[in-house]
Amino acid sequence: QVQLVESGGGVVQPGRSLRLSCAASGFTFRSHAMHWVRQAPGKGLEWVSQIWGDGSNKYYAESVKGRFTTSRDNSKNTLYLQMDSLRGEDTAVYYCARDGQQLMKYTMDVWGQGTTVTVSS
Amino acid sequence: QSALTQPPSASGSPGQSVTISCTGTSSDVGGYNYVSWYQHHPGKAPKIMIHEVNKRPSGVPDRFSGSKSGNTASLTVSGLQAEDEGDYYCTSFAGNSWVFGGGTKLTVL
Repeated sequence: QVQLVESGGGVVQPGRSLRLSCAASGFTFRSHAMHWVRQAPGKGLEWVSQIWGDGSNKYYAESVKGRFTTSRDNSKNTLYLQMDSLRGEDTAVYYCARDGQQLMKYTMDVWGQGTTVTVSS
Repeated sequence: QSALTQPPSASGSPGQSVTISCTGTSSDVGGYNYVSWYQHHPGKAPKIMIHEVNKRPSGVPDRFSGSKSGNTASLTVSGLQAEDEGDYYCTSFAGNSWVFGGGTKLTVL
């Protein structure tokens, strides 16, 4: 079945870096754009980034632009989020989500269970 | 991009109907027919309930319906059931970005 599994979360000091991964299975990974979405403690969901299926285009929320970089390795069916210059406000559960493409346009139709990032000294 | 506005809470008794609103601007909700609704239980993956304003994915009960008027989208849950409890989020495409609502906690009394 379609599955997304995030990993790489943990506790990191402010100003340091962390890389998250999202392993995809059960579908043709390269055919789907992918998203990162986060949820800070006690807060709502916040869209972070999208990358097209071929990796040719990437979009970011203003809150992470210039600090976070999304990439993918279609040969490994894996999505990445490189997070640099981390701040306390980046503390959140990070979800990866599949874009529904033509079947569900501009929709995140499948989500992982998330990985927790805590930025603290 | 500011978050979409949702009521923080909503409630209803079993069998009743409840509607959750989601208000944005002409740059997001009002500008595109790409509003989605998600059900989220803490610690679990969010689940798509409605996409493209009013389309229901297979497996989602027809008790769930969506609509939009101007800059406000709505999710209606008819015939409330206990398993409908949870947090509901709307989101809208906003031109190479997406914006979420703050979430609504739905309680079945």
